[in-house]
Amino acid sequence: AQSVTQPDIHITVSEGASLELRCNYSYGATPYLFWYVQSPGQGLQLLLKYFSGDTLVQGIKGFEAEFKRSQSSFNLRKPSVHWSDAAEYFCAVGRLSNDYKLSFGAGTTVTVRA
Amino acid sequence: DSGVTQTPKHLITATGQRVTLRCSPRSGDLSVYWYQQSLDQGLQFLIQYYNGEERAKGNILERFSAQQFPDLHSELNLSSLELGDSALYFCASSPGVAGGLDEQFFGPGTRLTVL
Repeated sequence: AQSVTQPDIHITVSEGASLELRCNYSYGATPYLFWYVQSPGQGLQLLLKYFSGDTLVQGIKGFEAEFKRSQSSFNLRKPSVHWSDAAEYFCAVGRLSNDYKLSFGAGTTVTVRA
Repeated sequence: DSGVTQTPKHLITATGQRVTLRCSPRSGDLSVYWYQQSLDQGLQFLIQYYNGEERAKGNILERFSAQQFPDLHSELNLSSLELGDSALYFCASSPGVAGGLDEQFFGPGTRLTVL
């Protein structure tokens, strides 16, 4: 069964500082990995996804993530955080089949201080 | 705006009652997914429909059921409601090409409060 672990429940970062959110997955085959962001009172928005190919993936809002098979990780990064990046971030793993359900991590809440 | 709409936005009801949540997928999307987000369980996949047929089931209780109609909108029915059913219920849709690589687009959610 697929599963995702986000070790950090809450991260506080200063505006302009870099951000890295950790994600570890467990899956027996090639994973399909996603990062979603949820702003307060909003639905989930896809930041980026990895299906195959280049292991460094660029997403929206200046985010990127790197797939490391040897470490079963898919960490999300942003070089310089903006106050609007304060939100909850979810890593998810999916599988390529006729049922394309996603398994989500518990989420990491990011607080941005001025 | 993802293009996925959900109604109602908020729902307050009592234990033992039955409610229906509605989802309209993005234009052209054939797959609809339902997720439950609660403080203790996080985001949990409930069920998926593809072009009117059930495709996958997750952690969905027997008191819950769903269907996808010919116009591709979907409804999630929750019955004999308990306090623990209070949660945010998300619908997501994707093109749903069998064997393809789909990303899911999420609606804004319906917040259910059971008193």
